[in-house]
Amino acid sequence: DSGVTQTPKHLITATGQRVTLRCSPRSGDLSVYWYQQSLDQGLQFLIQYYNGEERAKGNILERFSAQQFPDLHSELNLSSLELGDSALYFCASSDQMHNEQFFGPGTRLTVL
Amino acid sequence: GENVEQHPSTLSVQEGDSAVIKCTYSDSASNYFPWYKQELGKGPQLIIDIRSNVGEKKDQRIAVTLNKTAKHFSLHITETQPEDSAVYFCAASIRTGANSKLTFGKGITLSVRP
Repeated sequence: DSGVTQTPKHLITATGQRVTLRCSPRSGDLSVYWYQQSLDQGLQFLIQYYNGEERAKGNILERFSAQQFPDLHSELNLSSLELGDSALYFCASSDQMHNEQFFGPGTRLTVL
Repeated sequence: GENVEQHPSTLSVQEGDSAVIKCTYSDSASNYFPWYKQELGKGPQLIIDIRSNVGEKKDQRIAVTLNKTAKHFSLHITETQPEDSAVYFCAASIRTGANSKLTFGKGITLSVRP
């Protein structure tokens, strides 16, 4: 168990809908990262937050957004969902000192 | 941006044999190279990492080597066991302060035959 929690574990929704994925980092970690894992693209970095502020952006679509709250949990919002958004979404967290990233169990999103 | 390539894509070894997985990276500024193991239905698990100021690091049956000149790094697993069967990902990043987004390879499926 990495100490990173993600909810929900599974999510099934329809095209055009909006969903919110939630992540709680390890105790004491200030950084949260979001990754998307699909069969064709592999693990792709989406976005990083550090202590509530956006720190780095990767291949994140404009339909996607994220935020990190004062208690350091983070949410990834996916809107106007398309079939191609079906994937595993992982959250990882790291501390300021060592920066090793520890991954949560992921949320499997299925868009029908 | 950084590009990480991983090869081979699948590897099958006999229990007790050694397994070597190789990765190459493109950005010479990358300075941190972790390896992750992912079992079915689980998130990637950090198993070992190496920083650019070190050439080799070992932790029990696993080791990682880094060749900065050639821009490649390898994972070595000795005395393989069936529970080593999983998908292994290499990654690279440029760590600056609190920033360290990871660029991953495509992953390799390791099968250890009993």
